Amino acid sequence: GNSVTQMEGPVTLSEEAFLTINCTYTATGYPSLFWYVQYPGEGLQLLLKATKADDKGSNKGFEATYRKETTSFHLEKGSVQVSDSAVYFCALRRNTGGFKTIFGAGTRLFVKA
Amino acid sequence: DGGITQSPKYLFRKEGQNVTLSCEQNLNHDAMYWYRQDPGQGLRLIYYSQIVNDFQKGDIAEGYSVSREKKESFPLTVTSAQKNPTAFYLCASSIDGTSGSGELFFGEGSRLTVL
Repeated sequence: GNSVTQMEGPVTLSEEAFLTINCTYTATGYPSLFWYVQYPGEGLQLLLKATKADDKGSNKGFEATYRKETTSFHLEKGSVQVSDSAVYFCALRRNTGGFKTIFGAGTRLFVKA
Repeated sequence: DGGITQSPKYLFRKEGQNVTLSCEQNLNHDAMYWYRQDPGQGLRLIYYSQIVNDFQKGDIAEGYSVSREKKESFPLTVTSAQKNPTAFYLCASSIDGTSGSGELFFGEGSRLTVL
């Protein structure tokens, strides 16, 4: 079946460090891929997305590239800030059979000043 | 401002009681969803609706019920049949239920605690 696996947290970094959060997926066909972010006590909001192979999504300094050959969509940021502390969810949305969005377990990021 | 409004933000319930969580959107989206979030787990789909007067069970529908009488509203009832209802509940919407690239827009969530 379809699934999303992302690295376990928490991830703790110092300000201005490089961030990578790994995400791999299993899916039939060609799903769309997403990263959502959840700040404490809030709902999720879309961070970036990619809808086809080799697409790069980017927003607020974050980037992720849709790699079909490795079924991956790793999130990266060159220099994190304290305000980036949140939980990050990788997700896929199938393009057939109901169009449900499937989420990974989430990775909590702590950024220290 | 357009968005999704969930209420109440916090809710306490005694065992054996039903409780209804409200979700209203003014984004003119066709599709709406309810997710449950537990610590250390991803979001799990409870119910979704792609159009008014129609809805489908998600992966964990047992013990829950929904209605979709208006495009703007998708209330969730947590019944006494739900064995472990304490969780954070998130309502979401998308432009439609058929667009593969459709992003989800979320409310701020409702935290239900069973005493």
